[in-house]
Amino acid sequence: NAGVTQTPKFRVLKTGQSMTLLCAQDMNHEYMYWYRQDPGMGLRLIHYSVGEGTTAKGEVPDGYNVSRLKKQNFLLGLESAAPSQTSVYFCASRTSNYGYTFGSGTRLTVV
Amino acid sequence: RKEVEQDPGPFNVPEGATVAFNCTYSNSASQSFFWYRQDCRKEPKLLMSVYSSGNEDGRFTAQLNRASQYISLLIRDSKLSDSATYLCVVPYANQAGTALIFGKGTTLSVSS
Repeated sequence: NAGVTQTPKFRVLKTGQSMTLLCAQDMNHEYMYWYRQDPGMGLRLIHYSVGEGTTAKGEVPDGYNVSRLKKQNFLLGLESAAPSQTSVYFCASRTSNYGYTFGSGTRLTVV
Repeated sequence: RKEVEQDPGPFNVPEGATVAFNCTYSNSASQSFFWYRQDCRKEPKLLMSVYSSGNEDGRFTAQLNRASQYISLLIRDSKLSDSATYLCVVPYANQAGTALIFGKGTTLSVSS
C-alpha cells in the first residue's frame, strides 16, 4: 500500500517549457488536491477534484490545468512555466470524513 | 489570506515544557478541524482531528471554541522530536465540493 505517490520528485524547467506532475493514490479516495507551498505563504490550494471526471479551481489556479480521467490519478499541468511557479507541489487525497494523506512532494525550479 | 490565522512563532521551549498554539478561522460553517505537523522539507502529516469541543491524544490536546472561532493545540512535556511546524486546517465548502484551507503554520523548537 503506497498511499499517495508523486512523480517526479525533482524537476528543473526553463521558462516557457511545459510539464505534467502525476499524483497517484491506491486508497480508493474520492477527493484529490494539488497544493503549492512557498516560504512564508503556507500551503495554497491550486485545483482539486471531488471525483473521477470532475475538477474545481482553488485559491491560485492561474497557470495550471488539471485532469482526473481515472479515480486514482490526478494530473497537474504547467503549459508555459514561469519563474513564479518555482515551488514545492504537494498532492493529497482523502475520503469524506478524514484528513488528508499527502504525497512526498515535487520540488520544481523554473529558471 | 484571512481564512485561517496562526501565530508564526517561532516558539522556543525547553524539553518538558508545556506549549500552546492558537488558530482563528473565519468560516463559521466549518464543522471539523485538523492539526497537521510538518517537518522541514517533508509533507504535512495529520496530527489530530477536532470534531466537537476537543480531542486528546497522549501529550497532545486540541480544543475548539466555536463561539469565538478558534482552535488550540496544547503540547505537554515537550520532546526534542516535537520540533516542527504545526498547521491549523479548516474545511472550506462551496458548490464544487470541500477543500481544506491551511494556516501558514506555527514553528516550534524544543531544546535540551
